[in-house]
Amino acid sequence: GAGVSQTPSNKVTEKGKYVELRCDPISGHTALYWYRQSLGQGPEFLIYFQGTGAADDSGLPNDRFFAVRPEGSVSTLKIQRTERGDSAVYLCASSSDRTLNTEAFFGQGTRLTVV
Amino acid sequence: GESVGLHLPTLSVQEGDNSIINCAYSNSASDYFIWYKQESGKGPQFIIDIRSNMDKRQGQRVTVLLNKTVKHLSLQIAATQPGDSAVYFCAENMGTGFQKLVFGTGTRLLVSP
Repeated sequence: GAGVSQTPSNKVTEKGKYVELRCDPISGHTALYWYRQSLGQGPEFLIYFQGTGAADDSGLPNDRFFAVRPEGSVSTLKIQRTERGDSAVYLCASSSDRTLNTEAFFGQGTRLTVV
Repeated sequence: GESVGLHLPTLSVQEGDNSIINCAYSNSASDYFIWYKQESGKGPQFIIDIRSNMDKRQGQRVTVLLNKTVKHLSLQIAATQPGDSAVYFCAENMGTGFQKLVFGTGTRLLVSP
């Protein structure tokens, strides 16, 4: 189906390495969200894109985290100098509109493990 | 900081029973709430939402109740089925004009046949 696609589904990396996580939203969706979900917890907001611009990046934990969406479609979440505490499932969601009444569809997530 | 939380971490029911999952929120200014279902290895799936100007909303087999006086949400699932087994999250919107959701820690629903 044409849902939100995230790649890779699993990523194991060594502490200190750089990683990129990719999100392909549903075609035509202008709003895109990244969340992070730690084991046994609910997702935590990281960043929101409306089109190409990051409208709210207040959830990014520190300057090691960065996300882009250069053409207003695919988004990449980039993590520099990974730490073991970055291990989590990173979820992407998209919606056709930025307003509250539009359902956001989540991808299956990328499970990141930093060893 | 303000947060959304759940009273029961695990709820076990028999197939056919009605299930009620509860959630307390702390931000009295929140105006939009969503319930999500998450199965193992999958992303959250939208179930039902409600705005703060309503106190009840019904979907297919699900009902969400909102009590703003005590800042409490509940999700009622009628005739619970084994396929309903999952973790359920309530989420509170903290964004202005867009969905910036604060999720609770979740309740695991176990449905026995």
